[in-house]
Parts: sequence; structure tokens; C-alpha cells
Amino acid sequence: NAGVTQTPKFRVLKTGQSMTLLCAQDMNHEYMYWYRQDPGMGLRLIHYSVGEGTTAKGEVPDGYNVSRLKKQNFLLGLESAAPSQTSVYFCASSSRVGFFYEQYFGPGTRLTVT
Amino acid sequence: GNSVTQMEGPVTLSEEAFLTINCTYTATGYPSLFWYVQYPGEGLQLLLKATKADDKGSNKGFEATYRKETTSFHLEKGSVQVSDSAVYFCALMRTANAGNMLTFGGGTRLMVKP
Repeated sequence: NAGVTQTPKFRVLKTGQSMTLLCAQDMNHEYMYWYRQDPGMGLRLIHYSVGEGTTAKGEVPDGYNVSRLKKQNFLLGLESAAPSQTSVYFCASSSRVGFFYEQYFGPGTRLTVT
Repeated sequence: GNSVTQMEGPVTLSEEAFLTINCTYTATGYPSLFWYVQYPGEGLQLLLKATKADDKGSNKGFEATYRKETTSFHLEKGSVQVSDSAVYFCALMRTANAGNMLTFGGGTRLMVKP
């Protein structure tokens, strides 16, 4: 049982390049999330998904796109990277079953845009 | 809107000292409250939770009490260890929240010296 995994762990991009971050979970969770973590700002929600084929904007969605074609995967795309997108990106998932919905986090992807 | 405010760090303590990390929140309705911990190089893990006023969450010697009258959820531990060195995040989840989204505070770094 791997939990939540993220690929890649590290990446360096030049301004204007594109890339896709992959998140995978093996807990059959319905909900998945992408956050970015910046110093002193905690985690801010970029996009989230409440089920396969559905996505919604979070707090800071500009410059990012997402897709959830399979229940276990949630992809985050940067079409034209900017230095302001230098950050650590975390994926999380949670179940909608029951009263309490703990979010389980992946190990993170450190992205640097030069 | 919803917000979470934590004391700024870093907090530096000697082993076996008493720990308090302050957390206050602003939210409509009656949110659930959480403390997450992030060890170096890892994703966030749930430390403890409280889902209604006067509830006390506890885990691994850490405690926090949901105080509705002061809108607070302060984290405490009676005797810290070097292994408690990490970043601690306070978070809230609104009820009736499609997608179970969390709002995080900025995080507080704890450093425990032997």
C-alpha cells in the first residue's frame, strides 16, 4: 500500500516551458487535491477534484490546469512556467465516506523555474 | 472568508521543555479543526483533530482543545523531544463543504535542541 505518490520529486524548468506533475493514490479515494507550499504561507489549494472526470478551482488556480481521467490519478499541468511558480507542490487525497475526512499527503515535488 | 493564524516561528526549545503553538481561526458556522505535522523532506501528516466545541484532540503527547469562545485551537506538549522538530500547521474544514477542503495557517517551525 503506497498511499499517495508524486512524480517527479524534483524538477527545474526554464521560463515558458511546460510540464505535468503526476499524483497517484491507491486508497480508492474520491477526492484529490493539489496544493502549493511557499515559505510563511502554509499550503494553498490550487485545484481539486471530487470524482473521476470532475475538477474545480481552488484558491490559486491561475497558470495551472488539471485533469482526473482515472479515479486514482490527478495531473497538474503548467502550460508556460513562470518564476512565480517556483514552489513545493503537494498532492493529497481523502475519502468522502464517513463523518471525518482525513487528507493523506504525498511527499511533494520541488519545482524551480529559472 | 475562512482564515487561520498561527504564531510565527521558528520556536526553539530545549529537550523536555513545554511547548505551546498558538492558533486562532475565523470561519462561518462550526468548522472542524486540525493540526498537521511536516517532518523534514516529507509531506504533511495528521497529528490530531477536534470536530466540535470543547473537544480535545490528542496524539503522541500533543493536545489541543477546540475553544469556540476564543476561536482558538492551541497545540501543547508537556515535554518535547528532538524528534518533535518539524513544521506544524493548524487547519480548519468548514462543515457542508463539498470536497472537504482545508484552510491552512502559515505553519510554525519547531526546533528542539538536545
